[in-house]
Amino acid sequence: QSVLTQSPSASGTPGQKVTFSCSGGNSNIGNNHVYWYVQIPGTAPKLLIYRNDQRRSGVPDRFSGSKSGTSASLAVSGLRSEDEADYYCAAWDDSLTGWVFGGGTKLTV
Amino acid sequence: DVQLVESGGNLIQPGGSLRLSCAASGFTFDIFPMTWVRQAPGKGLEWVSVISISGAAIYYADSIQGRFTVSRDNSKNTMYLQMNRLRVEDTAVYYCAKGGWFGGPGLDPWGQGTLVSVSP
Repeated sequence: QSVLTQSPSASGTPGQKVTFSCSGGNSNIGNNHVYWYVQIPGTAPKLLIYRNDQRRSGVPDRFSGSKSGTSASLAVSGLRSEDEADYYCAAWDDSLTGWVFGGGTKLTV
Repeated sequence: DVQLVESGGNLIQPGGSLRLSCAASGFTFDIFPMTWVRQAPGKGLEWVSVISISGAAIYYADSIQGRFTVSRDNSKNTMYLQMNRLRVEDTAVYYCAKGGWFGGPGLDPWGQGTLVSVSP
């Protein structure tokens, strides 16, 4: 059971917009930044979004992050087939004194 | 190019020990914290540990506390993960990543990972 809660799956068709949610608590998302990582199965994860809404260099502006209270979201617009991957949210947890990840959302395009 | 290369993964019996290495290149190693994250087969990401620039501050996940030890040798641009008293549930791909201090710019990049299999 992950500390951060993500829906296990999401789907969309090319060109559509999909939004991933990440729910936590006061000790993690509520008091710290949220990060989003993407992983194509069989490969290493890659950073997409840092400090809630900052896109890593090279990440298209189709990807956008936001945070409100103890929840965060990652939106992907103009879906492409190459966006098909697993998406993970993460945040530092003050109570656990460590990073916590969501269980990941598998995106099917 | 920034590159992280993990090594040391192997098949090992429960109770055994293993040391993983993470060799860094392409950036100034001794000004960045470093992190270990693992991923069990078919499962999600699990944070393992983060070590500060000097190695003076280290945080561990509860699941490995007291069994795993992280260290770094800035003269060799390498971080290590000493794993003792291994359990079947420690079976995973272990990734190292640059960064990981709270509030920082995230874990970026990640190495390709090294597989640790713990089995009788």
